Amino acid sequence: GESVGLHLPTLSVQEGDNSIINCAYSNSASDYFIWYKQESGKGPQFIIDIRSNMDKRQGQRVTVLLNKTVKHLSLQIAATQPGDSAVYFCAENIRDNYGQNFVFGPGTRLSVLP
Amino acid sequence: NAGVTQTPKFQVLKTGQSMTLQCAQDMNHNSMYWYRQDPGMGLRLIYYSASEGTTDKGEVPNGYNVSRLNKREFSLRLESAAPSQTSVYFCASTEFKRGGYTFGSGTRLTVV
Repeated sequence: GESVGLHLPTLSVQEGDNSIINCAYSNSASDYFIWYKQESGKGPQFIIDIRSNMDKRQGQRVTVLLNKTVKHLSLQIAATQPGDSAVYFCAENIRDNYGQNFVFGPGTRLSVLP
Repeated sequence: NAGVTQTPKFQVLKTGQSMTLQCAQDMNHNSMYWYRQDPGMGLRLIYYSASEGTTDKGEVPNGYNVSRLNKREFSLRLESAAPSQTSVYFCASTEFKRGGYTFGSGTRLTVV
């Protein structure tokens, strides 16, 4: 079946460096994507989103890039801080046998090194 | 603060015991969901309720039942718990507007 996936299960970066977390998706009909951040012991929280009619969207220290040609999504975090340590999920909005819902990848754990 | 509230936060069950996980949202969302999260497997959909009065199976519904009690509340029941149901359970709600889901803080369930 079609699914959302991630290239890297873990990522370690030095504090102050930029982080890039990648995600591949296969459902060409998906029109809305979200990145979530999940800190230890908490539920996932919205970071940034992008619609399929855009290829880039910027927030505060975060940027999401969407490449529909190769079905690739990335999250860039500028000047990574210790508080950015978490698991990051990408999710795509689809309509499938379970109705309209979001499908999540397995997540990438970001560790920020001092 | 507005959001999704789950209870309990932690629970240990013996195999064969039953329990109900509670979820309530105060954002007037129509759609509510139950997910389980296991290491390396991301979030998997157990059941969902697109609107009050409707419930449907998700990807992994076996061993679970749900009740959409009203627009605010969506409960998940384990009738006879099994060790394979050891997991972290998340409830979420949405209106499919910008921002996607709002998640609860999760219930960590251990079945021994």
